[in-house]
Amino acid sequence: GENVEQHPSTLSVQEGDSAVIKCTYSDSASNYFPWYKQELGKGPQLIIDIRSNVGEKKDQRIAVTLNKTAKHFSLHITETQPEDSAVYFCAASPRFQKLVFGTGTRLLVSP
Amino acid sequence: DVKVTQSSRYLVKRTGEKVFLECVQDMDHENMFWYRQDPGLGLRLIYFSYDVKMKEKGDIPEGYSVSREKKERFSLILESASTNQTSMYLCASSPTGWGTQYFGPGTRLLVL
Repeated sequence: GENVEQHPSTLSVQEGDSAVIKCTYSDSASNYFPWYKQELGKGPQLIIDIRSNVGEKKDQRIAVTLNKTAKHFSLHITETQPEDSAVYFCAASPRFQKLVFGTGTRLLVSP
Repeated sequence: DVKVTQSSRYLVKRTGEKVFLECVQDMDHENMFWYRQDPGLGLRLIYFSYDVKMKEKGDIPEGYSVSREKKERFSLILESASTNQTSMYLCASSPTGWGTQYFGPGTRLLVL
């Protein structure tokens, strides 16, 4: 079955720096890759997603890139702010409505 | 806004008890999901339902069952709770098709 690896497990940056979180997947059938942000005491919330026919997608300070050949995708956050501090999860969808999640990255943005 | 609510934020139960976790969504979504979240393991799918009275096992269904009698409500049942079921339980829903999954706030369950 699909396996998603996520790195790093923790990431500390200074406010204004960029942050990059990387994920790899194993199943070439996966064609949908969402990213979720989980703040303390809350459920995960979708922040951006990408489908396999697209190589890059941007939404303000957040971007996601996908390399289907290498089976990896990354989340890029520019000009980080303290409110970006949270746990981020990547996921891959190997079949209809099924998501396989990575193990999460705890991002800490220091003022 | 999509709203997914879970019946309890925190629960403490004893080993061997039958435990019910309830989830309700208000967006008429066809699909509903139960995950458990453990440190270092991410979110793992327990069960999902793609229609009323329809269910499918996820990756870790052992020790759990589910019920979906109405479209908006999806219940997770621990028939006989064990200490290794201490975890955070997250419910999600999504519309048909390749839709976004919307999560509830989670229930933190402690089994003593």
